[in-house]
Amino acid sequence: NAGVTQTPKFQVLKTGQSMTLQCAQDMNHNSMYWYRQDPGMGLRLIYYSASEGTTDKGEVPNGYNVSRLNKREFSLRLESAAPSQTSVYFCASSLTLSDEQYFGPGTRLTVT
Amino acid sequence: RKEVEQDPGPFNVPEGATVAFNCTYSNSASQSFFWYRQDCRKEPKLLMSVYSSGNEDGRFTAQLNRASQYISLLIRDSKLSDSATYLCVVRANTGGFKTIFGAGTRLFVKA
Repeated sequence: NAGVTQTPKFQVLKTGQSMTLQCAQDMNHNSMYWYRQDPGMGLRLIYYSASEGTTDKGEVPNGYNVSRLNKREFSLRLESAAPSQTSVYFCASSLTLSDEQYFGPGTRLTVT
Repeated sequence: RKEVEQDPGPFNVPEGATVAFNCTYSNSASQSFFWYRQDCRKEPKLLMSVYSSGNEDGRFTAQLNRASQYISLLIRDSKLSDSATYLCVVRANTGGFKTIFGAGTRLFVKA
């Protein structure tokens, strides 16, 4: 039982490049989330998926897209990376939107 | 004003001390409350949910004060291993789902 897994753990991109961050959970949770964490700002919600087949914008969705591929997997795509997207990205899941969230180990992304 | 505010600290306490953190929130319609801990360069991990009647888990006690719109976390008999950043989380479902993390309070427990 791995919980929430994320790939890759580290990534360096040049401005304008694209990439997809992968997230999977094996806890049979309905809801999944993508956050970014920047120093002194706490975690900010980028997008979330209340259940399979639905996605909604969070607090900071600009520059990102998501896909809820199935109940287990929720990916985050940066179409044209910008230095402002340098951050640590965490994926999380919960049984429902009201329940506690469990986080993956994070992806440290640097955009130069 | 931030929707969820925490004193960033750091709190420096000796082993065995009792330490308390507060977290204030601005949305009176908030429904769910949690405390997470985050170790350096690691993911946040759930410490405890916060219930209206208050709840305790070993050395940790969480309280909710809806009238004054804050939650608190009390740690008794601090251990070196309690050194971490403590994040409060407030969740509401009014006009759409919203979850807000505080920026965290750093705690250092020293021998």
